[in-house]
Amino acid sequence: QVQLQESGPGLVKPSETLSLTCTVSGYSISSGYYWGWIRQPPGKGLEWIGSIYHSGSTYYNPSLKSRVTISVDTSKNQFSLKLSSVTAADTAVYYCARGPGWLLLWGQGTLVTVSS
Amino acid sequence: DIVMTQSPDSLAVSLGERATINCKSSQSVLYSSNNKNYLAWYQQKPGQPPKLLIYWASTRESGVPDRFSGSGSGTDFTLTISSLQAEDVAVYYCQQYYSTFTFGPGTKVDIK
Repeated sequence: QVQLQESGPGLVKPSETLSLTCTVSGYSISSGYYWGWIRQPPGKGLEWIGSIYHSGSTYYNPSLKSRVTISVDTSKNQFSLKLSSVTAADTAVYYCARGPGWLLLWGQGTLVTVSS
Repeated sequence: DIVMTQSPDSLAVSLGERATINCKSSQSVLYSSNNKNYLAWYQQKPGQPPKLLIYWASTRESGVPDRFSGSGSGTDFTLTISSLQAEDVAVYYCQQYYSTFTFGPGTKVDIK
């Protein structure tokens, strides 16, 4: 059974870099699919942040592209998100997910609060 | 970028009645080479990640009740719940995957 689990600090200070990791179990990241990050501010809708293909190609939301880096560590079967220069507007539940386009598998999500 | 819109923002339907949610994309998500619409639908309940209901605009994911159906092509799509059940109370999102990914703003479904 394939599972995804987000991990990382729940509190980040303004102007700092948010770093999250998604650990995948039951499937090798290098075998295929897109692996992505989606966020959801409290009480609001879903926003796609970016995705990385198993080959290493990356695709980012244009509105966040200047601040986002997504990478893969195949040795640990993990992929990671870095979002720089965060503000309160980046406070959200962050999900990792897998899909060929549609997103069938999701992590449970992790709340990241940006506050001093 | 492809912008997704949904209507209505919310709706309340009596148990057993039909619920209809509309989704519109700012450009066509129909890929002519395979005649497939790159459009998915999700259901999200409070405190849970979204759950995939439908992909390719009308293909129901395994295990999804057949009261959920998707239709449409090009830029206009519909999610229909044929007979609303109490467990269907949720927010529903459409998503295009024709050009990277974009979600619609969501439609909240409640019981009348």
